[in-house]
Amino acid sequence: GAGVSQSPSNKVTEKGKDVELRCDPISGHTALYWYRQSLGQGLEFLIYFQGNSAPDKSGLPSDRFSAERTGGSVSTLTIQRTQQEDSAVYLCASSARQYNQPQHFGDGTRLSIL
Amino acid sequence: DAKTTQPNSMESNEEEPVHLPCNHSTISGTDYIHWYRQLPSQGPEYVIHGLTSNVNNRMASLAIAEDRKSSTLILHRATLRDAAVYYCILRDAGNQFYFGTGTSLTVIP
Repeated sequence: GAGVSQSPSNKVTEKGKDVELRCDPISGHTALYWYRQSLGQGLEFLIYFQGNSAPDKSGLPSDRFSAERTGGSVSTLTIQRTQQEDSAVYLCASSARQYNQPQHFGDGTRLSIL
Repeated sequence: DAKTTQPNSMESNEEEPVHLPCNHSTISGTDYIHWYRQLPSQGPEYVIHGLTSNVNNRMASLAIAEDRKSSTLILHRATLRDAAVYYCILRDAGNQFYFGTGTSLTVIP
């Protein structure tokens, strides 16, 4: 079956521009996560959606970052007024509701800020 | 707060077993232990998870210490395709995953 899909796979933009990153989770998965991975580093949690509950935004690094999830499925991560330190791979994952279930990851969006 | 500690890197010879350790001394009673691995330019891939008992699947085995403060991922016969960064992660009842920096495994032909 289809896995987690992220688009675009690569994005290059100029400093100060806004970017939108998209994630299509596995059908039926109610939990959706966004992570950021800088070069050679581990994964940094950004935000978590679970069903219709209020999202856990505790990992967002600044108010330039926001995310939404429409209809409990597709999610968009938006970065406003991008800075060079925003350059990283942004990973999305989804999982079934039960908390002992594994996450399934997309291959990420590689974001480069010039 | 990653909550887990792993060696930065390990090496193994091809076709030999590999034991990847992880310490999680602050684990709570409801935290599950998950292992993922990440190949270059790919998202992490689920390997195995457990709570208290040892677990086996087609990819690996997970040995969990009796006090649950440490665990070991066992690859029974390392292949070149097993070269990756391996992450040991705790998942709590709040659905959070805490990723550390992982262990970079090199498999020597």
